[in-house]
Order: sequence, then structure tokens, then C-alpha cells
Amino acid sequence: EVQLVESGGDLVQPGGSLRLSCAASGFTFSTYTMNWVRQAPGKGLEWVSYISGGGRTTSYADSVKGRFTISRDNAKDSLYLQMNSLRAEDTAVYYCARNTPGSPYFEYWGQGTLVTVSS
Amino acid sequence: EIVLTQSPGTLSLSPGERATLSCRASQSVSSSYLAWYQQKPDQAPRLLIYGVSSRATGIPDRFSGSGSGTDFTLTISRLEPEDFAVYYCQQYGSSSYTFGQGTKLEIK
Repeated sequence: EVQLVESGGDLVQPGGSLRLSCAASGFTFSTYTMNWVRQAPGKGLEWVSYISGGGRTTSYADSVKGRFTISRDNAKDSLYLQMNSLRAEDTAVYYCARNTPGSPYFEYWGQGTLVTVSS
Repeated sequence: EIVLTQSPGTLSLSPGERATLSCRASQSVSSSYLAWYQQKPDQAPRLLIYGVSSRATGIPDRFSGSGSGTDFTLTISRLEPEDFAVYYCQQYGSSSYTFGQGTKLEIK
């Protein structure tokens, strides 16, 4: 059974940093593109970033480019999101999501972790 | 960046009725990379339809997708009580993804 479990969400001050983690199980992690998708309270979904299975290709939404860094450790079946220079508008539930094989759709999602940016 | 606009914002229907949800793109969606997701309160989204019209694993056949280019539709043929939720369309192109703002399907 595919499982994605996020952790690391917290209350952080504006300008601060936070690192999110996503532990994957139930599939061959290194062969799948992985993503972070966020949802501000009461709002819609916003894609944040993706990383290819081998980790060589990444992409970011314009809203986080230069502040967030996605990475993965295939030996540990884990996905990460380093978030720097956090702003109030980054407040959201952050989901990790696995792509369908070879296709750009989000087939499996974690339960999400809440990041709150506030003083 | 391709902007997806969903309509209506809210759709009020009764169980057993047919639901038609629209997703319009600001430019043509490449390679038909268009999907639909369902999200219920306090749950993660669930993939319903991918590649415009293919149902994801375990999705009942009352859900169907259609469209091409810039206009796409999700149809639920006969609403069941568990179908009342928020629905999002999503596209992929130029190494990025965008979602529509969502359509809330509520019980009338």
C-alpha cells in the first residue's frame, strides 16, 4: 500500500525557515517524480514544486522560486522541502504527492502538514 | 502560465441528478495533460480523471471527463450522497502545473 507521511509543519515567524519531510513507503520511491502542493486555509490547491525520480530535475512555482528548495534522499525514501524567507502568504497545509507513472498527475497524496507563518 | 477557470463556483443539485462542471484554459492544454480531483473536507484531494477522460483506479463509471484544447468538462451522471465535495481541474505544461479555483458541489 502506498503511503506518504508529511512532517515538520509548525508555527514560524515571517522571514524564518522550516524544513518539511515526506516519508514514502509501499512503492519504489526512486522511480517516481514527487511534488509538493499546498492549500491555504479555505482556499484552493497550489502546486509548489516537483523533483524527478533521480533528483536531477526540479521545478518551482514562481511564488516560491528562490526561497524554497526541493530535494530527496532515495536511500531513505524521503522527500524534503526547505522553506526560507517565509511570508504570511506561505501559510498553508503542505501535501506531498506522487505522480502517476510517467505522467504528470498526482495519483497519491499524503495527509498534509500545516505551516503557519505569523508573528 | 496557463490559467484554468472553473465554472460554476458553486453547483447546488440533488442526489440522482446529473452534474456538469466546466474548466476553461487560457491557452490550449498541451498533450491533453488535464486532470480532475475531488476533495472532501479535511481530506487530501483524490485523483478522479486523468488525460482528459481516463478514470483513475477505483473511480466509479458515473464520473466521466471530456473536452479538448481549452474547454473541458467533468460529468457525474447520477449524483450519490458521497459525491458532494469540491472539484478541481489541473493541467501540466512547460514544467509547471496549475489548478483551477475549484467548484463546490453542494446538496440542494
